[in-house]
Amino acid sequence: KNQVEQSPQSLIILEGKNCTLQCNYTVSPFSNLRWYKQDTGRGPVSLTIMTFSENTKSNGRYTATLDADTKQSSLHITASQLSDSASYICVVSPLSGTYKYIFGTGTRLKVLA
Amino acid sequence: GAVVSQHPSRVICKSGTSVKIECRSLDFQATTMFWYRQFPKQSLMLMATSNEGSKATYEQGVEKDKFLINHASLTLSTLTVTSAHPEDSSFYICSASRERTTEAFFGQGTRLTVV
Repeated sequence: KNQVEQSPQSLIILEGKNCTLQCNYTVSPFSNLRWYKQDTGRGPVSLTIMTFSENTKSNGRYTATLDADTKQSSLHITASQLSDSASYICVVSPLSGTYKYIFGTGTRLKVLA
Repeated sequence: GAVVSQHPSRVICKSGTSVKIECRSLDFQATTMFWYRQFPKQSLMLMATSNEGSKATYEQGVEKDKFLINHASLTLSTLTVTSAHPEDSSFYICSASRERTTEAFFGQGTRLTVV
C-alpha cells in the first residue's frame, strides 16, 4: 500500500533556530516528491518539488533532500521565523498512469519568539 | 505561478440546506480539478476528480449524490454539499491542473460549518 509518513507529528522551536522534518514513503515507483506549507485555514503552497533522480532542492531558507534508495526525504528550515509556523506536508506522486497525490499526515511546526 | 481561487472562504449553513463552493483557475485553463476534504489535524483526503465537460470520478466512500461536482468550463468547478449535516463540517480544498498529470495548484480552502 502506498503510504507517506512524516515525523515528528509536531515541533516547537525558538525563532532563529534550524529544524529538520522527516518524510518516509513506500510509494514506488514515484514521479516526484513535493513539500508543501499549509498555514492554518489556508490551502497548501508548494515549497519544493524533486524528481526521483534529484537529491536536493532549495527554496530560500527551505532545503529538501531526497534519498530514493532509503525512500526518505527531509525538509530543513534554516533560521526559522515566526511566519514559518504552519503544517508542512510531504506529498508523493506515483509514476505515470495516475495523477493522484499521496499526502503525508504533516508536521505541525510552531516557532516561538 | 498559477492562481486558484476558492469562494467562499468561510460559510455557515443550517442543517438540511445545500451549499455551493466555487473553484476558479484565474490565469490558466484547468483541464482537471480535484476536490479534497481535510479534518482538523489530518491530511487532505481526495474526494473526487473532475475533468471539464465530463462526469466527476469519486473516491471510494464519497457519496456522489451528496457531493455534487460540476466542471462546466475550463476555469470553474463547483462542489455542492447537498442536505448538509453537522458531520459535513470540514475544510474543503480544490486544486487545478492544466492536464491530468501535470502539477496541481491549490485554492485557499473553504471552511464549512453546518449548524
